[in-house]
Amino acid sequence: LAKTTQPISMDSYEGQEVNITCSHNNIATNDYITWYQQFPSQGPRFIIQGYKTKVTNEVASLFIPADRKSSTLSLPRVSLSDTAVYYCLVGPSGTYKYIFGTGTRLKVLA
Amino acid sequence: SQTIHQWPATLVQPVGSPLSLECTVEGTSNPNLYWYRQAAGRGLQLLFYSVGIGQISSEVPQNLSASRPQDRQFILSSKKLLLSDSGFYLCAWSVRGGINTEAFFGQGTRLTVV
Repeated sequence: LAKTTQPISMDSYEGQEVNITCSHNNIATNDYITWYQQFPSQGPRFIIQGYKTKVTNEVASLFIPADRKSSTLSLPRVSLSDTAVYYCLVGPSGTYKYIFGTGTRLKVLA
Repeated sequence: SQTIHQWPATLVQPVGSPLSLECTVEGTSNPNLYWYRQAAGRGLQLLFYSVGIGQISSEVPQNLSASRPQDRQFILSSKKLLLSDSGFYLCAWSVRGGINTEAFFGQGTRLTVV
């Protein structure tokens, strides 16, 4: 499973767009990139998953460059309730091992 | 719809006492099951995962064990708790053999060993 590197923490203000980048230099050809969100004292929940280019859903966008060695989770117009830890995971489709790194602690300020 | 139940929500146990945390999944069959631990302010550490009844894989050597006596039941145990076993324990499941599947987590058990 590819190792991932994320910033430990980020601060933002309400209404701003937040971009969290994950580095995964040794991503394999059949690896997908998945992001999870975790609120305090809760289990993580799936946000978005992609393989290449751009994926968008009602919560976020995921940008993946052609070399796939990094990815960026984009949260549009964050609110206080987006304060959470965000995890980037990289692994092959159908893998049954979910290895979480330390994540990025996002704090949204009023 | 699928649901995952994990209990108890909080637990305070003395050092040296036994532990049993239970997790059950409803609304699906043959799930992959997982136990994670999260120390205060830290990331999630995968402890055990299971792809079937009686099939347990341990990721980290430790004072804990896991069992899967039924298809949708996953139990985390310890014979003698250590102070270092304190943490937030999360059970999760995923679709076995699924493509691009996500993991679904329970609400967690906060264990404090005193």
